Amino acid sequence: GAVVSQHPSRVICKSGTSVKIECRSLDFQATTMFWYRQFPKQSLMLMATSNEGSKATYEQGVEKDKFLINHASLTLSTLTVTSAHPEDSSFYICSARKKIARVAPTEAFFGQGTRLTVV
Amino acid sequence: AQKITQTQPGMFVQEKEAVTLDCTYDTSDPSYGLFWYKQPSSGEMIFLIYQGSYDQQNATEGRYSLNFQKARKSANLVISASQLGDSAMYFCAMREWGGSQGNLIFGKGTKLSVKP
Repeated sequence: GAVVSQHPSRVICKSGTSVKIECRSLDFQATTMFWYRQFPKQSLMLMATSNEGSKATYEQGVEKDKFLINHASLTLSTLTVTSAHPEDSSFYICSARKKIARVAPTEAFFGQGTRLTVV
Repeated sequence: AQKITQTQPGMFVQEKEAVTLDCTYDTSDPSYGLFWYKQPSSGEMIFLIYQGSYDQQNATEGRYSLNFQKARKSANLVISASQLGDSAMYFCAMREWGGSQGNLIFGKGTKLSVKP
């Protein structure tokens, strides 16, 4: 099966610092990667969609200058939370879509998630 | 309007019994897919089952089955013979194939607790 690796799984950082989260597709090429955010006891909300080699598309209300997304290759996308504040504390999870055009039921492959705590 | 509605914030079930988790959806796209994911306390999303809008038969995967009622726009998840390890959050999600980037739209989830 397809594997998506997300690192780190947990990170604690000080207010004002930046944190980078990596999302890698280990055994397939991902043309599109999605970044979701999940607050405690709530659903996953799409933050942005990134396509390899192009700028990410952000959902309404998501600050693109604060949540920098880079999708430099077909196997790696990064989310950088810049100048983090306590309200950015959340669970961030990525998912990757295979390059193959065939629609497969498990096409959305998820990383393990990153629990960010800003103190 | 919400695209995915899960009306049960929490559910309890006795071990070894069956449980149904409700999900209704709203879309005008004739081509879509419905997914169920399990999220344990560790946070990872575990794919359980998929139903395509054109699939004639209800999807089944082991102890999981999807009760797909297209006219009612419902896609309930049925877990048979519940196990203690089934205790988790369960999310229903939809992907609209036409004109979208392919992201999943999630419901708010149902917390399932299996009692011994």
